[in-house]
Amino acid sequence: AQKITQTQPGMFVQEKEAVTLDCTYDTSDPSYGLFWYKQPSSGEMIFLIYQGSYDQQNATEGRYSLNFQKARKSANLVISASQLGDSAMYFCAMRETGSYIPTFGRGTSLIVHP
Amino acid sequence: GAVVSQHPSRVICKSGTSVKIECRSLDFQATTMFWYRQFPKQSLMLMATSNEGSKATYEQGVEKDKFLINHASLTLSTLTVTSAHPEDSSFYICSARALDKNGYTFGSGTRLTVV
Repeated sequence: AQKITQTQPGMFVQEKEAVTLDCTYDTSDPSYGLFWYKQPSSGEMIFLIYQGSYDQQNATEGRYSLNFQKARKSANLVISASQLGDSAMYFCAMRETGSYIPTFGRGTSLIVHP
Repeated sequence: GAVVSQHPSRVICKSGTSVKIECRSLDFQATTMFWYRQFPKQSLMLMATSNEGSKATYEQGVEKDKFLINHASLTLSTLTVTSAHPEDSSFYICSARALDKNGYTFGSGTRLTVV
C-alpha cells in the first residue's frame, strides 16, 4: 500500500493566487514527520517545510504553510501568492519513528501562469 | 548550512565503462547518506543507504555488484555504476540528514547518459 499519496499529477495556478497541493499518508506509528520538497527542472531537491506529528501548530515557512489534519492523515502544502519561479515538481514525504529513511510520494507538477 | 555537493552534474559514458558519482557533505558530518534514482516524471526510488565505515544497505531489486557504494569518511559517499548500459541512464541523487535539522539535504543530482 502507498504510504504517501499525491493524487494531483498536475496543477495550474495563476500568478499571485494561492494553491493547495494535496498529500495523504498512511501510518500506524504515532510519531512521524512530514516533509515537502520542491524539484525544479534543474533537478535539485529543495527542502520547503517540515511538520512533526506531535506539533500543535501547522508549520509555516514564508509563503509555504502546511495544512496538517492528523485525523484525516493529510498534510497539504499551501503556497500563497504564487510566483512564476514556483513552477516545479513538489514531493511530499514521510519519515516514521525508528526509520531514518523518508518515503516519497509520486509528486505533483505545478505550473504557474503569468 | 547543511550543504551536500554532488559531482558530476552530467556525465555521458560509453556502454561497458564505469562511472563514479561523488557526494560530499560540506559543513556537517553525514554518517548516513541515501542514494536515489529518478526516472523522468517519476518519484525518487531509494537504491541504498550508505553508512560510514560499513557496508551499504541495498533496497530489494538493486544489484549490489552493479551499483557500488563506498562511504569512506563522514563527509564523502560515492556511487559507482559499473559496466554501465543504456538502461542505467537516469538521474541519480544523494541526500543526507544533518542531525540538527529535520529536513534531508540533497545533492544537485547527476544526469547519467550511457551511449
